[in-house]
Amino acid sequence: QVTLRESGPALVKPTETLTLTCTFSGFSLTTNGMCVSWIRQPPGKALEWLARIDWDGDEYYNTSLKTRLTVSKDTSKNQVVLTMTNMDPADTATYYCARTRPYGSGPALDFWGQGTLVTVSS
Amino acid sequence: SYELTQPPSVSVSPGQTARITCSGDALPRKYAYWFQQKSRQAPVLVIYEDTKRPSGIPERFFAFSSGTKAILSISGAQVDDEADYYCYSTDSSGNQWVFGGGTRLTVL
Repeated sequence: QVTLRESGPALVKPTETLTLTCTFSGFSLTTNGMCVSWIRQPPGKALEWLARIDWDGDEYYNTSLKTRLTVSKDTSKNQVVLTMTNMDPADTATYYCARTRPYGSGPALDFWGQGTLVTVSS
Repeated sequence: SYELTQPPSVSVSPGQTARITCSGDALPRKYAYWFQQKSRQAPVLVIYEDTKRPSGIPERFFAFSSGTKAILSISGAQVDDEADYYCYSTDSSGNQWVFGGGTRLTVL
């Protein structure tokens, strides 16, 4: 069965770099067509897609955040890592990782982690 | 940047059909996906590629696309269907994914 779990700090200070880890099971990022996306949701607000990394190493980023985001994978550990630099209180949100597939390849974002709340405050 | 537009809220009585729209310029050429998010829970995929239901999603959830609009229809709405619903799609490049602003469905 597919599971994902986000982990990382609950509190970061402004200007710091956030590092979140998504640890998953039930699928492999070495399998053709498998991808992992990061999505966030500020309290009381809408979902926002952040980034995606594919089985072949391709990376995609939200253009409005591209300069601050990096996504990477460690297939031996079944982990995907998201880093976001220069954190601001406006980045306070629940951050989710989710399994997904390339466009037109079937169900997208079909399994999600439970999310981790990150608060940015001094 | 690309945007998907949803009405903030929809309200129906139990047993009625709820219809939620999502507008986007690329929708005539790109699939829409729909997610249900109940309070304080992670979103759940209810529709993918415009019309397809993942396993376990009731047939009451039906969706289609027409021009620049994608529509999610929930027939025989139940109190348990109360949630925020988000559409999701990509821009013409296929590399930028966006969510709509979400629609709160109230069944009362």
